[in-house]
Amino acid sequence: EVRLVQSGAEVKKPGESLKISCEGSGYIFTSYWIAWVRQMPGKGLEWMGIIYPGDSDTRYSPSFQGQVTISADKSISTAYLQWSSLKASDTAMYYCVTGLGGGYTFFAFEIWGQGTMVTVSS
Amino acid sequence: DIQMTQSPSSLSASVGDRVTITCRASQDISNYLAWYQQKPGKVPKLLIYAAATLQSGVPSRFSGSGSGTDFTLTISSLQPEDVANYYCQKYNSAPLTFGGGTKVEIK
Repeated sequence: EVRLVQSGAEVKKPGESLKISCEGSGYIFTSYWIAWVRQMPGKGLEWMGIIYPGDSDTRYSPSFQGQVTISADKSISTAYLQWSSLKASDTAMYYCVTGLGGGYTFFAFEIWGQGTMVTVSS
Repeated sequence: DIQMTQSPSSLSASVGDRVTITCRASQDISNYLAWYQQKPGKVPKLLIYAAATLQSGVPSRFSGSGSGTDFTLTISSLQPEDVANYYCQKYNSAPLTFGGGTKVEIK
């Protein structure tokens, strides 16, 4: 079974750093792009960025460039999303997603992680 | 960057009605268009990819059409379990932008 399993919910203070994870299983992790999607409370889906674990090629949405870092460790089939200094406005559900139809080309997101809720509050 | 505009932002229809949601890209994206359904409190689910290809397991009352800049998601006969938010997304090139979403409710 193809799965993406994300790390658990986080509660942080403004200014703190954070790294959340997404472990892939049931498929060749290095051969398909993994993306991160943000959903703020009561709002829509926002594409943040994407990484190809095979060579770490990474693309960011202009809205998130410089605000977060996406990385991957192919030795443990895990992708990461990290912040160096959180803000209250980073409070959201974060999903990792992948699509197995495209290989090195982008594809629709058929596999979603369960989501990681990040709450930033003083 | 290419913008994705969905309409309407919300709609209310009766069980059995035909429902249509549109998605417009600001530039030609060929057929690199996906539709997702997100039920309340749940993880989004892929319904349609390549503008018109139904994902495995998705009921046949869902269909997609379009190419270039204009796309449509149709529910041929609305069911109570279709209450959800629906999103389009382009995936021809980064950024893989989502539309703003359409909330579908039962009248």
